Amino acid sequence: DTGVSQDPRHKITKRGQNVTFRCDPISEHNRLYWYRQTLGQGPEFLTYFQNEAQLEKSRLLSDRFSAERPKGSFSTLEIQRTEQGDSAMYLCASSPGQGVEKLFFGSGTQLSVL
Amino acid sequence: GIQVEQSPPDLILQEGANSTLRCNFSDSVNNLQWFHQNPWGQLINLFYIPSGTKQNGRLSATTVATERYSLLYISSSQTTDSGVYFCAVPTDSWGKFQFGAGTQVVVTP
Repeated sequence: DTGVSQDPRHKITKRGQNVTFRCDPISEHNRLYWYRQTLGQGPEFLTYFQNEAQLEKSRLLSDRFSAERPKGSFSTLEIQRTEQGDSAMYLCASSPGQGVEKLFFGSGTQLSVL
Repeated sequence: GIQVEQSPPDLILQEGANSTLRCNFSDSVNNLQWFHQNPWGQLINLFYIPSGTKQNGRLSATTVATERYSLLYISSSQTTDSGVYFCAVPTDSWGKFQFGAGTQVVVTP
């Protein structure tokens, strides 16, 4: 059990550029979540997957955001045409996938949009 | 949707002191989790506690689901306890969680 892995750890980009983040969940965890956290706030739900199926997308996820989980393994979160308001910590979590369970989080990707 | 409120928002403790953090939620829940976010941003799951009391070393948590609150106790605090403590409750049966705004804890030597 190597834990949830996220890459990169930090990303600095210019407004208007596209960025992609990767999350590798704990092996054999069927459920994968993306959350976003801004300074001084708790994590906010963005989207989640059961295997390769995306179950729900939050209203926070505009059309510029897209998430995938091909083959039910790792997941990617892409932000197109980044805006300064996208600056935040993007957190990935996984759970075994048997209902409401303990969440295991990665270290996050800190995005700064200049 | 369900509201989660944590108090106090900030807490400064001297090493060795005890303290209690509170989490109130606006609707019935069948699960609650407490997390510690360390200064490097890593969220660590402390407790998965739908009801009753659990203990983990110097930390313990109690959830009273019928009264819609949970308490996290820190005893004999250490500087490594510093960070932000979050509680989170599920908003559906698939494991989507609503987090509170957190309690920022600073433990001074």
